[in-house]
Amino acid sequence: KQEVTQIPAALSVPEGENLVLNCSFTDSAIYNLQWFRQDPGKGLTSLLLIQSSQREQTSGRLNASLDKSSGRSTLYIAASQPGDSATYLCAVWSDKLIFGAGTRLAVHP
Amino acid sequence: GAVVSQHPSWVICKSGTSVKIECRSLDFQATTMFWYRQFPKQSLMLMATSNEGSKATYEQGVEKDKFLINHASLTLSTLTVTSAHPEDSSFYICSAVGTGDFSPLHFGNGTRLTVT
Repeated sequence: KQEVTQIPAALSVPEGENLVLNCSFTDSAIYNLQWFRQDPGKGLTSLLLIQSSQREQTSGRLNASLDKSSGRSTLYIAASQPGDSATYLCAVWSDKLIFGAGTRLAVHP
Repeated sequence: GAVVSQHPSWVICKSGTSVKIECRSLDFQATTMFWYRQFPKQSLMLMATSNEGSKATYEQGVEKDKFLINHASLTLSTLTVTSAHPEDSSFYICSAVGTGDFSPLHFGNGTRLTVT
């Protein structure tokens, strides 16, 4: 049974810091891995999708890496801003999409 | 980009009544749709997987007679919460997969259900 773990559960940082959010999964037989952002009480916004054959994806200040063999992914956020405050979820897809519990990020001015 | 519309965005109902939530893929055909629920400050938990024209597959611990899922067409899936109780109050989100292999999942904006 696939299990997805995200560390840390919560993070509070001053504006401008570079951040690393971690995601690990127990079964490496995945098709892809996605990182999502969720604002309080809202739906999901897909940030980055990494196919199993890829090592990383970049979008603006976001960079996500995937090491499938070790069951790990990291989301790197450069030069964090208060607007980045949200919960970040990673999810892996094999025959179904399984989510981690998320990292609640607060960036304060 | 692909859009998934979920309706209603929020609903309040009385205990014992039933509530139907719709999930529509607006510009693509969704062969598979997933239904999730999310309690406050917790992650999304998969409830069931529905494939067009066949019965939904429910995750362990999810009552299929309470959470009725219908996927009658390639663009519409519905989740009906029957005889709702306050403990069913949650955030329900659907997602849809297009017909292409390994296509990214697309999510609705969720439905906030409050049972009084």
